[in-house]
Amino acid sequence: GAVVSQHPSWVICKSGTSVKIECRSLDFQATTMFWYRQFPKQSLMLMATSNEGSKATYEQGVEKDKFLINHASLTLSTLTVTSAHPEDSSFYICSARATSGRGTGELFFGEGSRLTVL
Amino acid sequence: DAKTTQPPSMDCAEGRAANLPCNHSTISGNEYVYWYRQIHSQGPQYIIHGLKNNETNEMASLIITEDRKSSTLILPHATLRDTAVYYCIVRVSSGSARQLTFGSGTQLTVLP
Repeated sequence: GAVVSQHPSWVICKSGTSVKIECRSLDFQATTMFWYRQFPKQSLMLMATSNEGSKATYEQGVEKDKFLINHASLTLSTLTVTSAHPEDSSFYICSARATSGRGTGELFFGEGSRLTVL
Repeated sequence: DAKTTQPPSMDCAEGRAANLPCNHSTISGNEYVYWYRQIHSQGPQYIIHGLKNNETNEMASLIITEDRKSSTLILPHATLRDTAVYYCIVRVSSGSARQLTFGSGTQLTVLP
């Protein structure tokens, strides 16, 4: 199937710093990408929908100024956690919807990025 | 998207078939049944999806009841690597740009 790559796979940072997570579709184009957050022993919760060339759409309760999303190309979306605090520690997962090629229309997930804020 | 109900956990002996049920009694006519699984500390992995007919691929089989109110994912010969949380999701057609809404899923543990 199509491949979605996230980087970094894990990161540890100090409280108050900003962390950027990249989500790349490796063998297909994706005009829409989704960012999820998952706390331990819980299910995935959608944070925002990232649209190439336009502003992201955030779910209720997700601070857009804290979780900055940029989708500058058809293969890359980034999530920046600004001024991170320990409560932001979580597993962040992106998914991308293939708009061409094999698997067109389907959603593929990245491997996830584990953020630990000290 | 229609809500789904799954048992929180199941065990299965290695080599035996794992049958994971899912109820989706409010499913609409244009909604598909999707199954994903998430192995610990990894992103979700697509398994299979269907609309009305039973489906089979190299990973699993999907059996959808005639009234479409429930379905069963079958892993024919479960291995230890199949231990994961399995999510049953109902959503409109693959052409939709809508996201997947995850429920609690079923924690499948394959026992040696």
